[in-house]
Amino acid sequence: DAKTTQPPSMDCAEGRAANLPCNHSTISGNEYVYWYRQIHSQGPQYIIHGLKNNETNEMASLIITEDRKSSTLILPHATLRDTAVYYCIVRVQRTSGSRLTFGEGTQLTVNP
Amino acid sequence: KAGVTQTPRYLIKTRGQQVTLSCSPISGHRSVSWYQQTPGQGLQFLFEYFSETQRNKGNFPGRFSGRQFSNSRSEMNVSTLELGDSALYLCASSLLAGGDEKLFFGSGTQLSVL
Repeated sequence: DAKTTQPPSMDCAEGRAANLPCNHSTISGNEYVYWYRQIHSQGPQYIIHGLKNNETNEMASLIITEDRKSSTLILPHATLRDTAVYYCIVRVQRTSGSRLTFGEGTQLTVNP
Repeated sequence: KAGVTQTPRYLIKTRGQQVTLSCSPISGHRSVSWYQQTPGQGLQFLFEYFSETQRNKGNFPGRFSGRQFSNSRSEMNVSTLELGDSALYLCASSLLAGGDEKLFFGSGTQLSVL
């Protein structure tokens, strides 16, 4: 699976959009981009994933560049409860296996 | 629908002992995977089971083992515990075992080895 690079930490004001970048310059054509987050002392929570098109769900939006070498997770109106470590993961589409390779992630702190 | 349930939530053991952790996946989910989380190494994949068969294994010593039952519930066992085994052990389930499946994680079992 391709390696990802994320900033170690970011701050965001409550109510504002949080834009979390991820670099995955060695991504292959069949690798998906996944985002998970982990609130302290809990298990990671799935947020969103995509292959090449931009995706949106009730939690967030995922913007993938045309060359697929980077992506941005957007939380449109961050709240204090969005304070967490956010992990960007790229993953090969396999016919078997649910292995995720977690990096160090980005600690997002939402400030009041 | 109930989420992934892990028991116990906390566990204290001493070096040399063995421990068994339990995971009940979301109803209908057939794939269960296990992860270890430590401050130094982060989240690391241990192994994955699908339909009672180990499908994938991480880079951990043979002291770490697991199994899955016909109802998809899973257990993992660590024998001859070492201090470095102190960690949060997380279980995740998914509907199938494939590259496009999202994983649902439990809250984990916090293991302390003294």
